[in-house]
Amino acid sequence: GEDVEQSLFLSVREGDSSVINCTYTDSSSTYLYWYKQEPGAGLQLLTYIFSNMDMKQDQRLTVLLNKKDKHLSLRIADTQTGDSAIYFCAESRTGGYNKLIFGAGTRLAVHP
Amino acid sequence: DTGVSQDPRHKITKRGQNVTFRCDPISEHNRLYWYRQTLGQGPEFLTYFQNEAQLEKSRLLSDRFSAERPKGSFSTLEIQRTEQGDSAMYLCASSLSVASGNEQFFGPGTRLTVL
Repeated sequence: GEDVEQSLFLSVREGDSSVINCTYTDSSSTYLYWYKQEPGAGLQLLTYIFSNMDMKQDQRLTVLLNKKDKHLSLRIADTQTGDSAIYFCAESRTGGYNKLIFGAGTRLAVHP
Repeated sequence: DTGVSQDPRHKITKRGQNVTFRCDPISEHNRLYWYRQTLGQGPEFLTYFQNEAQLEKSRLLSDRFSAERPKGSFSTLEIQRTEQGDSAMYLCASSLSVASGNEQFFGPGTRLTVL
């Protein structure tokens, strides 16, 4: 995950919005993804964005991409306790057989 | 359940033993990936198959590791002469090459503990 960086921890109050940030280094990235991992479980794909887009919205999730700054964010509206998990940002590069390069993950804690 | 499945879910072994893990991808998916995840880290790519052909291997995949996908469906990952440093979660993912975003869907993983 050395080419993809995320902050390690985020704590929010239930009902507030959460914003999880990610920076990446490779300008040839084609797609960028957000995955969610709950304790002891595999990774659940939440959403992805193509590199020529700057925003994608899917229900409570909004992805923003600033390609110039190589910055990706995931906003979760009306955060619930069930959103508590580790969130991973990942990039897929041109010519790399679409293998994913992951960040170390951001642990989101939602408290009442 | 038509998702990616992995077997076993947990494996405890002694150092020096061989272990083999199995992954069954989503049935129509032609791409299959293996990743390894250690505590507090994101998954790291190990190897990739398109149908039965192994097209890429990470430098993380030492000579003790071998992966196969003989009929282009399920895949196995074998670790020979296990070491304590092999302890990790081994994740399998599959995707469809014609899918627009090449979304990779992950299995629940096999947690390996080497004593």
